[in-house]
Amino acid sequence: GAVVSQHPSRVICKSGTSVKIECRSLDFQATTMFWYRQFPKQSLMLMATSNEGSKATYEQGVEKDKFLINHASLTLSTLTVTSAHPEDSSFYICSALTGTNYGYTFGSGTRLTVV
Amino acid sequence: RKEVEQDPGPFNVPEGATVAFNCTYSNSASQSFFWYRQDCRKEPKLLMSVYSSGNEDGRFTAQLNRASQYISLLIRDSKLSDSATYLCVVDNNAGNMLTFGGGTRLMVKP
Repeated sequence: GAVVSQHPSRVICKSGTSVKIECRSLDFQATTMFWYRQFPKQSLMLMATSNEGSKATYEQGVEKDKFLINHASLTLSTLTVTSAHPEDSSFYICSALTGTNYGYTFGSGTRLTVV
Repeated sequence: RKEVEQDPGPFNVPEGATVAFNCTYSNSASQSFFWYRQDCRKEPKLLMSVYSSGNEDGRFTAQLNRASQYISLLIRDSKLSDSATYLCVVDNNAGNMLTFGGGTRLMVKP
């Protein structure tokens, strides 16, 4: 089946530093990748949609200069949290359209803790 | 009003019980509907799609009521392993945008 590999699974960083999260589609081409954020005891909130080779579309309230998304190839999308602050601590998950049977597949998530 | 609403629970049920969750959505133009399961600190996993005619997969039955704009999930003969958060998910834009409900937490006890 379609697999999205997300790394790292867990990261702790100091306030003010940047963190890069990678999502790779292993056995399919992910034309579109979605990035979500989930705070404790809340549901997933869409942050942005990225299409290969074009600029990402950000949801209202999500700072595009803070959450940099790059989708340079059909198998790799990255989210960089720049100048991270403790309030950015969250669970970040990517998801891709597999293109088969109209299905989505999720990465395993990245738990970011900013100290 | 949230686009997709669910009772957060928790629903505490004994093993073997039947439990049902409802979810309401506000966009009448919504096209596709899903139930996802999310275990603690894990990514969501697709449980089942929800079709207009209703569909069943083993102990799980999903139904869609477009007129009233709600979908339901019925779990029969609950197992301990069913304990999780169940997310109602609506696709409003033909594959371009999933909206997640807040999730309903289920705890199945021995």
